[in-house]
Amino acid sequence: SQTIHQWPATLVQPVGSPLSLECTVEGTSNPNLYWYRQAAGRGLQLLFYSVGIGQISSEVPQNLSASRPQDRQFILSSKKLLLSDSGFYLCAWSGRAGPSSYEQYFGPGTRLTVT
Amino acid sequence: QKEVEQDPGPLSVPEGAIVSLNCTYSNSAFQYFMWYRQYSRKGPELLMYTYSSGNKEDGRFTAQVDKSSKYISLFIRDSQPSDSATYLCAMSALTGTASKLTFGTGTRLQVTL
Repeated sequence: SQTIHQWPATLVQPVGSPLSLECTVEGTSNPNLYWYRQAAGRGLQLLFYSVGIGQISSEVPQNLSASRPQDRQFILSSKKLLLSDSGFYLCAWSGRAGPSSYEQYFGPGTRLTVT
Repeated sequence: QKEVEQDPGPLSVPEGAIVSLNCTYSNSAFQYFMWYRQYSRKGPELLMYTYSSGNKEDGRFTAQVDKSSKYISLFIRDSQPSDSATYLCAMSALTGTASKLTFGTGTRLQVTL
């Protein structure tokens, strides 16, 4: 069965510090990968998605970036965090094409607090 | 106007009640409809998945899609305290090889003993 991991689970960082969140998927090959942010009362906002190694599409312009160095690894980064970057960050995977690409499965999330 | 509207609740029901959760949407291109359950401080869990219009049943859960009215529902029969969670609807249009889901803001459900 497929498993998705995210770390760290919680993070408290000062404004202006760098960020690196990691997501890995087990038990599947060639997944689509996604990064979402969930803010209180605002639902899930898609930040980035990737259909393959090195292929990143950005949905929202901001000071975050994403990379996919390996097939089942997705990294979310920032060079300088802002207070507004606080939130619950969720990684998700789906199949590559067809109906399976619409079923997205989420990881446990990382709760980021920028102070 | 948001593409997907969902009443945030909270919705409080007694154990054993039938629960109805709903979303409306404005984008007629949406073809795939999902319901997720999210417990506090956890990632969302995919509950139900429906393509186009019609009903789909899985145990105590029934998902219903009415594309003519742009309205989707999730019914929970014989609700249990363990059903207490936030329920998120999500939907997607066909977008090449990656699906971009648009989420509702979630309805918080509390099932009381």
